[in-house]
Amino acid sequence: EVQLVESGGGFVQPGGSLRLSCAASGFTFSKYWMHWVRQAPGKGLVWVSRTNSDGSTTSYADSVEGRFTMSRDNAKNTLYLEMNSLRAEDTAVYYCVRDPYDISGYYVFDHWGQGAPVTVAS
Amino acid sequence: SYVLTQPPSVSVAPGKTARITCAENNIGSQTVHWYQQKPGQAPVLVIYYDSDRPSGIPERFSGSNSGSTATLTISGVEAGDEAEYFCQVWDNRGDHYVFGTGTTVTVL
Repeated sequence: EVQLVESGGGFVQPGGSLRLSCAASGFTFSKYWMHWVRQAPGKGLVWVSRTNSDGSTTSYADSVEGRFTMSRDNAKNTLYLEMNSLRAEDTAVYYCVRDPYDISGYYVFDHWGQGAPVTVAS
Repeated sequence: SYVLTQPPSVSVAPGKTARITCAENNIGSQTVHWYQQKPGQAPVLVIYYDSDRPSGIPERFSGSNSGSTATLTISGVEAGDEAEYFCQVWDNRGDHYVFGTGTTVTVL
């Protein structure tokens, strides 16, 4: 069974930093692209960032470019999101999401974690 | 960049058909995926590549995509289909991923 378990969420003041982790199991992690997608309270889904299967390339939404850094450790089956210079508008649930692009050729989110809540407030 | 417009809400009686649209100029040239999100839960993929169903998704869920509108159709709606539904495409102009505005389906 595919499992994606996020951790590291919490409360942080504006300007602060936080690192999210996502532990993957039940599949060959190194064969999949991975994403972070966030959802502010009562709002829709917003794509945040993506890494390819070996971590050699990343892409970010304009709203987080330069502040967030996504990485992965395929030996540990773990995905990371380093978030710096956090703002109130970054408050959201952050989902770790799997993308089978290298296998299917589709840019699709086929499995989602349960999410890690992040609150940025003073 | 793409802006995928969905109706905020759709109401449907049990057993009837719900149609959820996702509009964007020339979306028919894109590959569209659909997600279902129930309150307090993570989203679940229900349709990929315009009209394919992942394993475990009932045949009641179907999709189409042409011209400026993609459509998710739920036939024989059940109470358990109450959820918010989002369409999604990949924006090749910026290597970004775009979600629709979301549609809440209410079963009367």
